[in-house]
Amino acid sequence: EAGVAQSPRYKIIEKRQSVAFWCNPISGHATLYWYQQILGQGPKLLIQFQNNGVVDDSQLPKDRFSAERLKGVDSTLKIQPAKLEDSAVYLCASSSTGGSNTEAFFGQGTRLTVV
Amino acid sequence: DAKTTQPPSMDCAEGRAANLPCNHSTISGNEYVYWYRQIHSQGPQYIIHGLKNNETNEMASLIITEDRKSSTLILPHATLRDTAVYYCIVLGSNDYKLSFGAGTTVTVRA
Repeated sequence: EAGVAQSPRYKIIEKRQSVAFWCNPISGHATLYWYQQILGQGPKLLIQFQNNGVVDDSQLPKDRFSAERLKGVDSTLKIQPAKLEDSAVYLCASSSTGGSNTEAFFGQGTRLTVV
Repeated sequence: DAKTTQPPSMDCAEGRAANLPCNHSTISGNEYVYWYRQIHSQGPQYIIHGLKNNETNEMASLIITEDRKSSTLILPHATLRDTAVYYCIVLGSNDYKLSFGAGTTVTVRA
């Protein structure tokens, strides 16, 4: 079974520029998560989708971050404009139902450096 | 608000059992305890989860106390490849929000 695919693996941008990350979850998985992981910290949940609807985006900085999951499959996370403190690894994960008795599978992540 | 408390770090000798504690004193009756680990430069990896009963799989065992206020993840024969950050997570029964804390950094030494 193919895992969660993310691209790009690495990205370096200047502050105030825009950037987008792409995630392809495991086929058939209804729930998709985006996390931000700053060096030395645990992953922080940014947004959770159930199919193409948002379940939780309480920690998403909506003035600069946006995410969409068209057709309930692939998802993109965008930052516009980027700040230095956005430097982090952005992780995507998916699970079959998002319920309390299912495991989540994570991608390798995209490492963003803002200079 | 953190639902779990874990020690920040622990060492373990290769070949020995590693016992990782986790406190979750405010857990609700229908909330599961999950364990994930994150090896350096990789995404988190699912290990095991449980509700009330002890669980075992090919990676680890999970012991949950009778009052469900704490649990222990057991790696029966730790290897150098088990060096990672281990996260104990209580999965909300209503929002299913998979939230990570700081975890325990486990270092397996030869």
